Amino acid sequence: EVQLVQSGAEVKKPGESLKISCKGSGYAFGTYWIGWVRQMPGKDLEWLGIIYPDDSDTIYSPSFQGQVTISADRSISTAYLQWSTLKASDTAIYYCARHLRRGGDFYGIDVWGQGTTVTVSS
Amino acid sequence: DIQLTQSPSFLSASVGDRVTITCRATQDIRSYLAWYQQKSGTAPKLLIYAATTLQNGVPSRFSGSGSRTEFTLTISSVQPEDVATYYCQHLNSSPFTFGPGTKVDI
Repeated sequence: EVQLVQSGAEVKKPGESLKISCKGSGYAFGTYWIGWVRQMPGKDLEWLGIIYPDDSDTIYSPSFQGQVTISADRSISTAYLQWSTLKASDTAIYYCARHLRRGGDFYGIDVWGQGTTVTVSS
Repeated sequence: DIQLTQSPSFLSASVGDRVTITCRATQDIRSYLAWYQQKSGTAPKLLIYAATTLQNGVPSRFSGSGSRTEFTLTISSVQPEDVATYYCQHLNSSPFTFGPGTKVDI
Protein backbone atom coordinates (compact mmCIF):
# COMPACT_ATOMS: atom_id res chain seq x y z
CA GLU A 1 0.00 0.00 0.00
CA VAL A 2 1.29 3.43 -0.94
CA GLN A 3 1.49 5.63 2.16
CA LEU A 4 2.91 8.87 3.46
CA VAL A 5 3.23 8.92 7.24
CA GLN A 6 4.01 12.21 8.91
CA SER A 7 5.61 13.04 12.23
CA GLY A 8 3.48 14.01 15.21
CA ALA A 9 1.99 17.28 16.37
CA GLU A 10 4.35 20.01 17.55
CA VAL A 11 3.92 22.89 19.99
CA LYS A 12 6.62 25.54 19.73
CA LYS A 13 7.34 29.11 20.82
CA PRO A 14 7.90 31.99 18.42
CA GLY A 15 11.54 32.19 17.38
CA GLU A 16 12.18 28.46 17.75
CA SER A 17 13.20 26.16 14.91
CA LEU A 18 11.37 23.06 13.72
CA LYS A 19 11.72 20.22 11.23
CA ILE A 20 8.79 17.93 10.47
CA SER A 21 8.99 14.74 8.44
CA CYS A 22 7.08 12.60 5.99
CA LYS A 23 8.05 8.98 5.31
CA GLY A 24 6.94 7.30 2.13
CA SER A 25 6.39 3.59 1.65
CA GLY A 26 5.00 1.23 -0.93
CA TYR A 27 6.52 2.99 -3.93
CA ALA A 28 9.85 4.18 -5.38
CA PHE A 29 10.19 7.26 -3.18
CA GLY A 30 13.01 8.87 -5.11
CA THR A 31 11.17 9.00 -8.41
CA TYR A 32 8.07 10.96 -7.39
CA TRP A 33 7.92 14.66 -6.65
CA ILE A 34 6.78 15.23 -3.09
CA GLY A 35 5.69 18.49 -1.59
CA TRP A 36 3.95 20.31 1.21
CA VAL A 37 0.54 21.95 1.55
CA ARG A 38 -0.49 24.25 4.39
CA GLN A 39 -3.96 24.65 5.87
CA MET A 40 -4.30 27.37 8.47
CA PRO A 41 -7.12 26.92 11.01
CA GLY A 42 -10.44 27.01 9.19
CA LYS A 43 -8.80 28.18 5.99
CA ASP A 44 -8.01 27.06 2.46
CA LEU A 45 -5.18 24.93 1.10
CA GLU A 46 -1.89 26.63 0.20
CA TRP A 47 0.85 25.02 -1.91
CA LEU A 48 4.35 25.57 -0.46
CA GLY A 49 6.59 23.71 -2.88
CA ILE A 50 7.93 20.35 -4.05
CA ILE A 51 11.14 18.35 -4.22
CA TYR A 52 12.37 15.49 -6.41
CA PRO A 53 14.20 13.24 -3.95
CA ASP A 54 16.47 11.57 -6.52
CA ASP A 55 18.34 14.80 -7.28
CA SER A 56 16.89 17.22 -4.69
CA ASP A 57 15.59 19.56 -7.39
CA THR A 58 13.22 21.89 -5.50
CA ILE A 59 10.51 24.31 -6.58
CA TYR A 60 9.10 26.80 -4.06
CA SER A 61 6.02 28.96 -4.20
CA PRO A 62 7.26 32.57 -4.20
CA SER A 63 5.04 33.17 -1.16
CA PHE A 64 7.05 30.64 0.85
CA GLN A 65 10.53 30.96 -0.67
CA GLY A 66 12.89 31.93 2.15
CA GLN A 67 10.27 31.17 4.81
CA VAL A 68 10.65 27.38 4.84
CA THR A 69 13.13 24.78 3.60
CA ILE A 70 12.05 21.60 1.81
CA SER A 71 14.48 18.70 1.75
CA ALA A 72 14.53 14.94 1.33
CA ASP A 73 16.68 11.93 2.15
CA ARG A 74 15.97 9.26 -0.43
CA SER A 75 18.01 6.67 1.50
CA ILE A 76 15.32 6.62 4.19
CA SER A 77 12.39 7.63 1.94
CA THR A 78 11.71 10.75 3.97
CA ALA A 79 10.90 14.32 3.09
CA TYR A 80 11.19 17.27 5.45
CA LEU A 81 9.77 20.74 5.99
CA GLN A 82 11.88 23.04 8.11
CA TRP A 83 11.65 26.47 9.75
CA SER A 84 14.59 28.33 11.27
CA THR A 85 12.48 30.95 13.07
CA LEU A 86 8.84 30.13 13.74
CA LYS A 87 6.12 32.78 13.94
CA ALA A 88 2.63 32.56 15.37
CA SER A 89 1.31 32.82 11.81
CA ASP A 90 2.97 29.46 11.01
CA THR A 91 0.28 27.76 13.11
CA ALA A 92 -1.42 25.33 10.74
CA ILE A 93 -1.80 21.76 9.59
CA TYR A 94 0.93 20.78 7.13
CA TYR A 95 0.28 17.94 4.69
CA CYS A 96 2.93 16.18 2.68
CA ALA A 97 1.73 15.37 -0.79
CA ARG A 98 2.95 13.08 -3.58
CA HIS A 99 2.56 14.78 -6.95
CA LEU A 100 1.41 12.80 -9.96
CA ARG A 101 3.64 13.54 -12.94
CA ARG A 102 3.56 12.06 -16.43
CA GLY A 103 5.53 13.04 -19.49
CA GLY A 104 7.05 16.04 -17.74
CA ASP A 105 3.72 17.55 -16.66
CA PHE A 106 2.11 17.60 -13.25
CA TYR A 107 -1.48 16.38 -12.94
CA GLY A 108 -2.41 16.41 -9.27
CA ILE A 109 -1.66 15.17 -5.77
CA ASP A 110 -2.54 11.50 -5.63
CA VAL A 111 -1.27 10.60 -2.16
CA TRP A 112 -1.51 12.71 0.98
CA GLY A 113 -0.01 12.33 4.42
CA GLN A 114 -2.29 12.45 7.44
CA GLY A 115 -1.16 15.97 8.35
CA THR A 116 1.06 17.42 11.08
CA THR A 117 -0.42 20.09 13.34
CA VAL A 118 2.06 22.82 14.20
CA THR A 119 1.10 25.26 16.94
CA VAL A 120 3.29 28.29 17.58
CA SER A 121 2.37 30.19 20.70
CA SER A 122 4.12 32.02 23.46
CA ASP B 1 0.67 33.81 -10.31
CA ILE B 2 -2.45 32.14 -11.63
CA GLN B 3 -5.43 32.60 -9.33
CA LEU B 4 -8.48 30.36 -9.10
CA THR B 5 -12.00 31.31 -8.06
CA GLN B 6 -14.78 28.88 -7.21
CA SER B 7 -18.53 29.27 -7.20
CA PRO B 8 -20.60 28.89 -5.25
CA SER B 9 -18.69 29.09 -1.97
CA PHE B 10 -21.44 27.10 -0.25
CA LEU B 11 -24.31 24.97 -1.45
CA SER B 12 -26.96 22.91 0.22
CA ALA B 13 -28.47 20.04 -1.74
CA SER B 14 -30.87 17.16 -1.22
CA VAL B 15 -29.90 13.52 -1.66
CA GLY B 16 -30.11 12.64 -5.33
CA ASP B 17 -29.67 16.20 -6.60
CA ARG B 18 -27.27 17.03 -9.40
CA VAL B 19 -24.59 19.38 -8.07
CA THR B 20 -22.24 21.54 -10.14
CA ILE B 21 -19.25 23.51 -8.88
CA THR B 22 -17.37 25.93 -11.12
CA CYS B 23 -13.66 26.83 -11.00
CA ARG B 24 -12.28 29.73 -13.05
CA ALA B 25 -8.62 30.53 -13.70
CA THR B 26 -7.17 33.98 -14.33
CA GLN B 27 -5.07 32.58 -17.22
CA ASP B 28 -5.26 29.72 -19.69
CA ILE B 29 -4.23 26.57 -17.78
CA ARG B 30 -5.05 24.17 -20.65
CA SER B 31 -6.36 21.05 -18.89
CA TYR B 32 -4.01 21.08 -15.91
CA LEU B 33 -6.71 21.13 -13.28
CA ALA B 34 -7.43 18.76 -10.41
CA TRP B 35 -10.37 18.46 -8.03
CA TYR B 36 -10.17 17.33 -4.42
CA GLN B 37 -12.65 16.40 -1.72
CA GLN B 38 -11.82 17.22 1.88
CA LYS B 39 -14.01 15.85 4.64
CA SER B 40 -13.87 17.41 8.08
CA GLY B 41 -10.68 16.57 9.96
CA THR B 42 -9.10 14.58 7.14
CA ALA B 43 -6.59 15.12 4.36
CA PRO B 44 -7.87 16.01 0.90
CA LYS B 45 -8.54 13.23 -1.59
CA LEU B 46 -7.95 13.43 -5.34
CA LEU B 47 -11.17 13.04 -7.35
CA ILE B 48 -10.36 14.26 -10.85
CA TYR B 49 -7.12 15.16 -12.65
CA ALA B 50 -6.34 16.56 -16.07
CA ALA B 51 -9.74 18.26 -15.84
CA THR B 52 -11.74 15.18 -16.83
CA THR B 53 -9.95 11.99 -15.69
CA LEU B 54 -11.52 10.16 -12.76
CA GLN B 55 -8.97 8.97 -10.20
CA ASN B 56 -8.99 5.22 -9.52
CA GLY B 57 -11.57 4.22 -6.94
CA VAL B 58 -13.62 7.42 -7.14
CA PRO B 59 -17.35 6.82 -7.68
CA SER B 60 -18.58 7.43 -11.20
CA ARG B 61 -21.15 9.99 -9.99
CA PHE B 62 -18.23 12.44 -9.94
CA SER B 63 -17.18 13.97 -13.26
CA GLY B 64 -15.12 16.89 -14.48
CA SER B 65 -15.27 19.03 -17.58
CA GLY B 66 -13.79 22.18 -19.04
CA SER B 67 -10.52 23.55 -20.35
CA ARG B 68 -8.47 26.74 -20.55
CA THR B 69 -10.08 29.02 -17.94
CA GLU B 70 -13.42 27.46 -16.97
CA PHE B 71 -13.96 24.09 -15.35
CA THR B 72 -16.76 22.25 -13.59
CA LEU B 73 -17.06 19.42 -11.12
CA THR B 74 -20.39 17.62 -11.24
CA ILE B 75 -21.88 15.17 -8.79
CA SER B 76 -24.67 13.49 -10.75
CA SER B 77 -26.64 12.25 -7.75
CA VAL B 78 -25.31 13.63 -4.47
CA GLN B 79 -25.11 11.22 -1.53
CA PRO B 80 -24.90 11.86 2.23
CA GLU B 81 -21.24 10.84 2.23
CA ASP B 82 -20.44 13.65 -0.23
CA VAL B 83 -20.68 16.26 2.53
CA ALA B 84 -17.28 17.93 2.25
CA THR B 85 -15.39 20.93 0.96
CA TYR B 86 -14.29 20.67 -2.67
CA TYR B 87 -11.16 22.39 -3.97
CA CYS B 88 -9.77 22.87 -7.44
CA GLN B 89 -6.02 23.19 -8.05
CA HIS B 90 -4.16 24.16 -11.21
CA LEU B 91 -0.86 22.49 -12.15
CA ASN B 92 -0.07 24.47 -15.29
CA SER B 93 2.92 26.32 -13.82
CA SER B 94 4.41 26.89 -10.37
CA PRO B 95 3.00 27.83 -7.93
CA PHE B 96 0.25 25.21 -8.11
CA THR B 97 -2.41 27.25 -6.34
CA PHE B 98 -5.73 26.02 -4.99
CA GLY B 99 -9.15 27.58 -5.28
CA PRO B 100 -10.89 28.86 -2.13
CA GLY B 101 -13.17 25.83 -1.84
CA THR B 102 -16.87 25.05 -2.08
CA LYS B 103 -18.59 23.63 0.97
CA VAL B 104 -21.32 21.11 0.14
CA ASP B 105 -23.98 20.30 2.69
CA ILE B 106 -26.85 17.84 2.45
